[in-house]
Amino acid sequence: GNSVTQMEGPVTLSEEAFLTINCTYTATGYPSLFWYVQYPGEGLQLLLKATKADDKGSNKGFEATYRKETTSFHLEKGSVQVSDSAVYFCALSSNGGSQGNLIFGKGTKLSVKP
Amino acid sequence: KAGVTQTPRYLIKTRGQQVTLSCSPISGHRSVSWYQQTPGQGLQFLFEYFSETQRNKGNFPGRFSGRQFSNSRSEMNVSTLELGDSALYLCASSIGTSETYEQYFGPGTRLTVT
Repeated sequence: GNSVTQMEGPVTLSEEAFLTINCTYTATGYPSLFWYVQYPGEGLQLLLKATKADDKGSNKGFEATYRKETTSFHLEKGSVQVSDSAVYFCALSSNGGSQGNLIFGKGTKLSVKP
Repeated sequence: KAGVTQTPRYLIKTRGQQVTLSCSPISGHRSVSWYQQTPGQGLQFLFEYFSETQRNKGNFPGRFSGRQFSNSRSEMNVSTLELGDSALYLCASSIGTSETYEQYFGPGTRLTVT
């Protein structure tokens, strides 16, 4: 079945460090891919998305490119801030045309130290 | 514009009881999805509703059910509660069901079963 695998956390970085969180997926067809972020005590927020191969999603300095050949959607940011501390979830939509059925990875907790 | 609201925010129940959780989507949103979040299983899709019809259902036992009303508000019900049902239940709404529409998540209802 469809699944998402993302790197285990927690990840601890110093401010202004480079961030990569790996995400790979298994899916039939052509899923859309998403990164969501969950700040402490809050619900999930969509960070960025890509709906077809080679698309690059970007938002708030974060980027991820939909790589069909490697079935990956790695999240990157060139210079993290303390305010980026949160849990990041990679997800795919498995129901062609419907985003309601999202399959999530386990989440990666990021802590950024001043 | 008000976000997705979920009530109650916290709930403690005893094994064998039943519980009903409520979700009010963003005004104008017609699609509502429910997810269960636990430390062990992560985020798992429960069901999706659109215009009062269940469109998709995750792999959960029949004790989990839901419905959507004509004003798009949604409820989910869990009967005969088990300890393993302790989780954060998240509701998400979107304008429609296409994956091009962003899902907006509520803060969740924290259910504890004792």
